[in-house]
Amino acid sequence: AQSVTQLGSHVSVSEGALVLLRCNYSSSVPPYLFWYVQYPNQGLQLLLKYTSAATLVKGINGFEAEFKKSETSFHLTKPSAHMSDAAEYFCAVSDRRSGGFKTIFGAGTRLFVKA
Amino acid sequence: SAVISQKPSRDICQRGTSLTIQCQVDSQVTMMFWYRQQPGQSLTLIATANQGSEATYESGFVIDKFPISRPNLTFSTLTVSNMSPEDSSIYLCSVESLAYEQFFGPGTRLTVL
Repeated sequence: AQSVTQLGSHVSVSEGALVLLRCNYSSSVPPYLFWYVQYPNQGLQLLLKYTSAATLVKGINGFEAEFKKSETSFHLTKPSAHMSDAAEYFCAVSDRRSGGFKTIFGAGTRLFVKA
Repeated sequence: SAVISQKPSRDICQRGTSLTIQCQVDSQVTMMFWYRQQPGQSLTLIATANQGSEATYESGFVIDKFPISRPNLTFSTLTVSNMSPEDSSIYLCSVESLAYEQFFGPGTRLTVL
């Protein structure tokens, strides 16, 4: 069964600093992987996705993530944090390739950006 | 992409009562999903709703507590029945694209007193 682990429930960075949010997955088949962002009082919005094409995936708002099969990781990065990046970020894995219909979400990482 | 709206956006309810949440999509979709997000927590899938068939519930969720309707390809409702304070959560509906990405509604914030 698929699972997702996000390391660190809270991450704090200074404005302009590198953002690194960690995600490790467990899957018996090549996964579909996603990062979603949730701003306060809103639903989730897709940042980027990996579906077995290029291992380095670029998303919206300057975010990118690299799929590393050997490390079973899909960490999210952004070179320079902006105040508007403060939000909750969720890593997710889909079990579609194993015949399921579910997306499993990680516990989430709240990003704080300091001025 | 899909645009999803939910009603109500928030509500405060008394224990023992029921609330029906509506989810409307701007395009026809086969599957709709209902999630619960408890304060400070991640998303937990309640059930998957297919048009023309009974909803499929995840472990820990039962139809008597969370009845779901799916009358057509653009609409679904989730009812939270006989509510208790433990049901206080954000309830989200979503749909899935052909590329397996999910589009979410803005959520319904439920507080049960």
